[in-house]
Amino acid sequence: GENVEQHPSTLSVQEGDSAVIKCTYSDSASNYFPWYKQELGKRPQLIIDIRSNVGEKKDQRIAVTLNKTAKHFSLHITETQPEDSAVYFCAASITSGGSYIPTFGRGTSLIVHP
Amino acid sequence: DVKVTQSSRYLVKRTGEKVFLECVQDMDHENMFWYRQDPGLGLRLIYFSYDVKMKEKGDIPEGYSVSREKKERFSLILESASTNQTSMYLCASSSPPAGAGELFFGEGSRLTVL
Repeated sequence: GENVEQHPSTLSVQEGDSAVIKCTYSDSASNYFPWYKQELGKRPQLIIDIRSNVGEKKDQRIAVTLNKTAKHFSLHITETQPEDSAVYFCAASITSGGSYIPTFGRGTSLIVHP
Repeated sequence: DVKVTQSSRYLVKRTGEKVFLECVQDMDHENMFWYRQDPGLGLRLIYFSYDVKMKEKGDIPEGYSVSREKKERFSLILESASTNQTSMYLCASSSPPAGAGELFFGEGSRLTVL
């Protein structure tokens, strides 16, 4: 099955700095790569995603890049703010039975210091 | 807004008890998932379902079973609870990828097995 490695497990930055979280995956059939943010005590929520036919996608301060050859993808957050503090999960999804089945990384705890 | 509701936020059970975790979604989604979340291990897939009365094993199905008698409801069953099943359980739903793929999560059910 798919295996997703996520690094770092903890990331501490000062407000205004950039943060980068990296993930690698093993199954070349994976074709959909979402990122979820989970604030303390809350449910995970999708913040950005990218499909295998795209190399980069941006949404305001958040961007995701994908290198299919190397099987890695990254989340970039610029101008970090204290409200960005959360656990971030990457996932790599294969299509099975017409649906995306994601395998998640272990998560990165991002701490943004004011 | 999609709503995924898990019946119990907190449960305390004894070893050997049968445990039912219920999940209901209100968006007519075909796909439903059960994940287990443990610190440092991320989200691990237990079972998923594409449609009523069908189920597929995820990465860690041992000790669990599921039931999907109606499209909106997906139940996770622990036939004989053990202490190593103490965890946070997250239910999610999604639609097949007609451009989509996002998982909508419930609030989670925190189970403690004594």
